[in-house]
Amino acid sequence: DGGITQSPKYLFRKEGQNVTLSCEQNLNHDAMYWYRQDPGQGLRLIYYSQIVNDFQKGDIAEGYSVSREKKESFPLTVTSAQKNPTAFYLCASSNPPMYEQYFGPGTRLTVT
Amino acid sequence: QQQVKQSPQSLIVQKGGISIINCAYENTAFDYFPWYQQFPGKGPALLIAIRPDVSEKKEGRFTISFNKSAKQFSLHIMDSQPGDSATYFCAANQAGTALIFGKGTTLSVSS
Repeated sequence: DGGITQSPKYLFRKEGQNVTLSCEQNLNHDAMYWYRQDPGQGLRLIYYSQIVNDFQKGDIAEGYSVSREKKESFPLTVTSAQKNPTAFYLCASSNPPMYEQYFGPGTRLTVT
Repeated sequence: QQQVKQSPQSLIVQKGGISIINCAYENTAFDYFPWYQQFPGKGPALLIAIRPDVSEKKEGRFTISFNKSAKQFSLHIMDSQPGDSATYFCAANQAGTALIFGKGTTLSVSS
């Protein structure tokens, strides 16, 4: 059963703590993406990776970091430098890069 | 130049009616225009997409109309059903660049 999994579905953290969101895909897609979704804001690109061991900043990369050590995995770390981290985070993948992106179920992060 | 403007922000349609959501873009280099459907608490799902070499694409009750000269594209949902109630996003990009998403339209289909 191919798809994208994100874990956990809900995540709660205290302000000042780093937190890592997991994203795994078994679609054999080369490209993977992280988006942030806030009410009324649409989807905003945080980071993307078109190939293993390479990634680029999106529109709102400040306060976030990523790694791409395996084709299947693209974890996102929300650091304490992110001023307003509470949001719905979506991971996506595609092949070829940038077209026909398929999304995971999302992780809702709440920081208090 | 990189924006995709989507309207309306919200839409209420009677069951069996036609839902129409519009998007406009500025960058004439865009060559891929997808629509996504998102239910509350879920990730967006790719619904239908079009390339600028065709003016219309239909999949079941969903149709994309594309007007290259006006730099506009729209999603039409025929015979709208309560199960179609969701948020719809348009997007656009050109080869090798990131998708630019509209801000979304919340559709409510009343029974």
